[in-house]
Amino acid sequence: QQQVKQSPQSLIVQKGGISIINCAYENTAFDYFPWYQQFPGKGPALLIAIRPDVSEKKEGRFTISFNKSAKQFSLHIMDSQPGDSATYFCAATLRWGGADGLTFGKGTHLIIQP
Amino acid sequence: DGGITQSPKYLFRKEGQNVTLSCEQNLNHDAMYWYRQDPGQGLRLIYYSQIVNDFQKGDIAEGYSVSREKKESFPLTVTSAQKNPTAFYLCASSIGLVTGGVLTFGAGSRLTVL
Repeated sequence: QQQVKQSPQSLIVQKGGISIINCAYENTAFDYFPWYQQFPGKGPALLIAIRPDVSEKKEGRFTISFNKSAKQFSLHIMDSQPGDSATYFCAATLRWGGADGLTFGKGTHLIIQP
Repeated sequence: DGGITQSPKYLFRKEGQNVTLSCEQNLNHDAMYWYRQDPGQGLRLIYYSQIVNDFQKGDIAEGYSVSREKKESFPLTVTSAQKNPTAFYLCASSIGLVTGGVLTFGAGSRLTVL
């Protein structure tokens, strides 16, 4: 049972373009949606997160958009740079639940071409 | 610097052998986790521990074992019963089991079965 569906699996974007990664969830009880960024050979690191009472959260060039009624959320990377090339994982969980309930998407391999 | 140290970074094993992956953290976190990462499969939880001498099975615990004798250490043993052990293994920690989805990951250990 895949509770968080992530797309696309891979994405190639030109430098300066906008990278968009989409996720959809099934469990309406989820109330916290973090994104993790993973560089090759490294562990994932928390990038940005959003709660469902907010429709958008921006941190620098990274923006999460959240659509509660559609049970969808997305990551936008503005002015994409080669240093953004990494694998991105969306996730969903209960904010006051245990991390054992953290459900990850399958990941998006992003390549920014110079 | 506080963080999680995983060793070895690369490990080769013959079929039928057990192998132990080390995970040490100096973040003073109570909870620790082991994830398995396969291409296109995202992160899957193997085991987690909230406190010393206590641990719980995750989604894919079969063929793995763990111990938590010290707060700082959470080694994972991949046993010969694990049918497809070749993967990238990630150790993570959090302040407590209730994390809000915020995990700190180590750099990972890549296991290859020959």
